[in-house]
Amino acid sequence: DAKTTQPNSMESNEEEPVHLPCNHSTISGTDYIHWYRQLPSQGPEYVIHGLTSNVNNRMASLAIAEDRKSSTLILHRATLRDAAVYYCILRDVKVNFGNEKLTFGTGTRLTIIP
Amino acid sequence: DVKVTQSSRYLVKRTGEKVFLECVQDMDHENMFWYRQDPGLGLRLIYFSYDVKMKEKGDIPEGYSVSREKKERFSLILESASTNQTSMYLCASSLLGAGLANEQYFGPGTRLTVT
Repeated sequence: DAKTTQPNSMESNEEEPVHLPCNHSTISGTDYIHWYRQLPSQGPEYVIHGLTSNVNNRMASLAIAEDRKSSTLILHRATLRDAAVYYCILRDVKVNFGNEKLTFGTGTRLTIIP
Repeated sequence: DVKVTQSSRYLVKRTGEKVFLECVQDMDHENMFWYRQDPGLGLRLIYFSYDVKMKEKGDIPEGYSVSREKKERFSLILESASTNQTSMYLCASSLLGAGLANEQYFGPGTRLTVT
């Protein structure tokens, strides 16, 4: 499986944008980039995913580099409720039927400063 | 809303006991997963299942088994609990072949302590 590299931790001020980086230099053409986050004392939750084009949803935006070797999750206006561990995961959609697992790394712990 | 529930939030067992962790999902998902989460190691996949009575080993299956007799229920079994199985256990489910997102929905977790 292709690997991702994220900083262990980041801090950001409340109500400011946050850019969470992820490097995936060995990404293959069939790997999609997924982001999940885990709030304190909860299970992870899906945030966003993309392949080549930038993506937006109600939670965040995903900016993908032209060579796809890196991506950035953007929280446009961080709140205290965004404090969580954020995971960047590659998922090969070419995998065998019935083998749709995700491989989580250790993620980035985001702290929001009031 | 998709709901994944786990039988206990906290569990304390003794070494050598047989332990059952139950997970139930209410969205008719084919895929179900068991992970454990430990500080510094992230989430690691133990077992998963894509259909009733089907199971596949994940990255760390040793010391565990699973059972899926009904589509909505996926059980993780520790045949003889050991202290190194003290951990947070997370269950998840997703649709099979749902396409690109194949979003996994997680339960709240069970914190198991083996003494």
